[in-house]
Amino acid sequence: EVQLVESGGGLVQPGGSLRLSCAASGFTFSSYWMSWVRQAPGKGLEWVANIKQDGSEKYYVDSVKGRFTISRDNAKNSLYLQMNSLRAEDTAVYYCARYQLLHPGGYFDLWGRGTLVTVSS
Amino acid sequence: DIVMTQTPLSLSVTPGQPASISCKSSQSLLHSDGKTYLYWYLQKPGQSPQLLIYEVSSRFSGVPDRFSGSGSGTDFTLKISRVEAEDVGVYYCMQGIHLPPTFGQGTKLEIK
Repeated sequence: EVQLVESGGGLVQPGGSLRLSCAASGFTFSSYWMSWVRQAPGKGLEWVANIKQDGSEKYYVDSVKGRFTISRDNAKNSLYLQMNSLRAEDTAVYYCARYQLLHPGGYFDLWGRGTLVTVSS
Repeated sequence: DIVMTQTPLSLSVTPGQPASISCKSSQSLLHSDGKTYLYWYLQKPGQSPQLLIYEVSSRFSGVPDRFSGSGSGTDFTLKISRVEAEDVGVYYCMQGIHLPPTFGQGTKLEIK
């Protein structure tokens, strides 16, 4: 079955760190760009970061630049998001998503179920 | 960043009746390659988003033909010809022509 399964969410204090993981299965993970997209409680969708197949290119939304790092391990079919200096406004469900890169732009064609990150003291 | 604006933000529809959602972008989504990079997603209650429509009007795999997309440039529409109970949720349009990909605010569809 083609699927993405996130893990690693939880409650963290402001200024703290958290590492999210996403396990991919059922498709050739190393052939695809991958992304993180988040959704604050009761709010809409916000793209967070993209990473190229070999990890050589990474892109971030301005609000997380310098604080979040996207990475991947193709041998483990896994995607990661290292989140540092967390703020209350980072509270959200974080979705792992497969990104179909077009030239230009792209879209998300496969999503995980998400993992909740809550930043609060 | 490209701003995506959806209307209405909510609608209540009787089963079997049609529904329509509008999406406007702050810049044209037509690329010089001739394609228009506009997508529609549905997020059912308690679930992650799922792709419905890509490049304005092409239905994704497994999407029923009661869903259709239309439009060009900056103005787009998602139509459901006959709403069913399973169509409830929040519909989002998304532009994929430029990074960052941006979504509309979402339109919540409820059944009367």
